[in-house]
Amino acid sequence: QSLLTQPPSVSGAPGQRVTISCTGGSSNIGSGYAVHWYQQLPGAAPKLLISDYSNRPSGVPDRFSGSKSGTSASLTITGLRAEDEAHYYCQSYDTSLSGALFGGGTKLTVL
Amino acid sequence: EVQLVESGGGLVEPGRSLKLSCVASGFTFNDYAMHWVRQAPGKGLEWVSAINWNSALIEYADSVKGRFTISRDNAKNTLFLQMDSLRTQDTALYYCTKDLYSSGTTGDALDLWGQGTPVTVSS
Repeated sequence: QSLLTQPPSVSGAPGQRVTISCTGGSSNIGSGYAVHWYQQLPGAAPKLLISDYSNRPSGVPDRFSGSKSGTSASLTITGLRAEDEAHYYCQSYDTSLSGALFGGGTKLTVL
Repeated sequence: EVQLVESGGGLVEPGRSLKLSCVASGFTFNDYAMHWVRQAPGKGLEWVSAINWNSALIEYADSVKGRFTISRDNAKNTLFLQMDSLRTQDTALYYCTKDLYSSGTTGDALDLWGQGTPVTVSS
């Protein structure tokens, strides 16, 4: 069981908004360590989507946004598109592990 | 072109060794920390190891500590992962990744990923 907990799956219809949560604890997000988000399309390597809670790298559409609240972080996708169907992973640092940590991943299905 | 290209994966018996390589191009390699991340078949991402720009700071996941060794050759823009005492649980696609920041800490985002090299540990 990951120290960063994500829902295994979420779904939404085209055009809708979905939110993926990443729940941590006092040894990671709660200690102020940044959260990053990655998108992994089927058969492809992961791609950085959001860094440091809410920063979008160049080329990432503004339909993707990130936020933090307490010991949790969230990725929100608005205007859902078929090409958004992928696995999404959060990542942070954990002091108890003395290393980086990924959430278990969330599969987004576009209905 | 900015890219990372991994090599060295393959089929190996439990207890044996394998060395992965990752050649970087298109950016100033010796300015950035580098990481290895793996993904077992059908599973999620697992961070494996990180090395800062001058090899002074190195960290490992508990699952590989004492068995894997990360290193880099800045003159050749190459990152390595020496994997010893391999176990069946080490079977995965191994990604070479670049730290977003030049200062490079284990908690940083990873903004460039290779396509991965597969490692299968089986008798």
